Amino acid sequence: KAGVTQTPRYLIKTRGQQVTLSCSPISGHRSVSWYQQTPGQGLQFLFEYFSETQRNKGNFPGRFSGRQFSNSRSEMNVSTLELGDSALYLCASSNSDMGQVFFGPGTRLTVT
Amino acid sequence: DAKTTQPTSMDCAEGRAANLPCNHSTISGNEYVYWYRQIHSQGPQYIIHGLKNNETNEMASLIITEDRKSSTLILPHATLRDTAVYYCIVANQAGTALIFGKGTTLSVSS
Repeated sequence: KAGVTQTPRYLIKTRGQQVTLSCSPISGHRSVSWYQQTPGQGLQFLFEYFSETQRNKGNFPGRFSGRQFSNSRSEMNVSTLELGDSALYLCASSNSDMGQVFFGPGTRLTVT
Repeated sequence: DAKTTQPTSMDCAEGRAANLPCNHSTISGNEYVYWYRQIHSQGPQYIIHGLKNNETNEMASLIITEDRKSSTLILPHATLRDTAVYYCIVANQAGTALIFGKGTTLSVSS
């Protein structure tokens, strides 16, 4: 089986712009979650989607949003980018009853 | 906030067992203990998880104390490739919505 894929792998944006990141989960996985990793804050949970519904949400401002499509693919969007949004964004998928998630390689976002 | 406490760093000689401790004194009865590791700049990798019984797989063993307030991850024969940040996480059975702490940086040397 192919692993979790994320596109693009690298991205440079300017403050004030918005960005959309994409994640394709492992085939058959219905849960997709997103994480932000920065040197200062470490790995932080953003949100989780299951069957197109947001099931869990972390403590991030409304500028961060996501969605999941009927084929389980997911996107996350960050509007009005700030310098502090520069981070590695990780997507993870799960067959919900497995008790483990599989992480993708991440998208490295740089905001200038 | 993370519900676990781990040492910041540990060292281990190649070929020896690496024993990584974790405290989770506020764990609820239906919460599991998960271990993940992250090798520099890669996505975290699942290692093992358990509820109350000890668990073993091809990667590691997980020893959970009887009161479930602490656990130990054991890598039986550490190699240089095991150098990574190891995260102990308390989460529900589905294991999604993971709240990561700072983890333990394990350095394996020859």
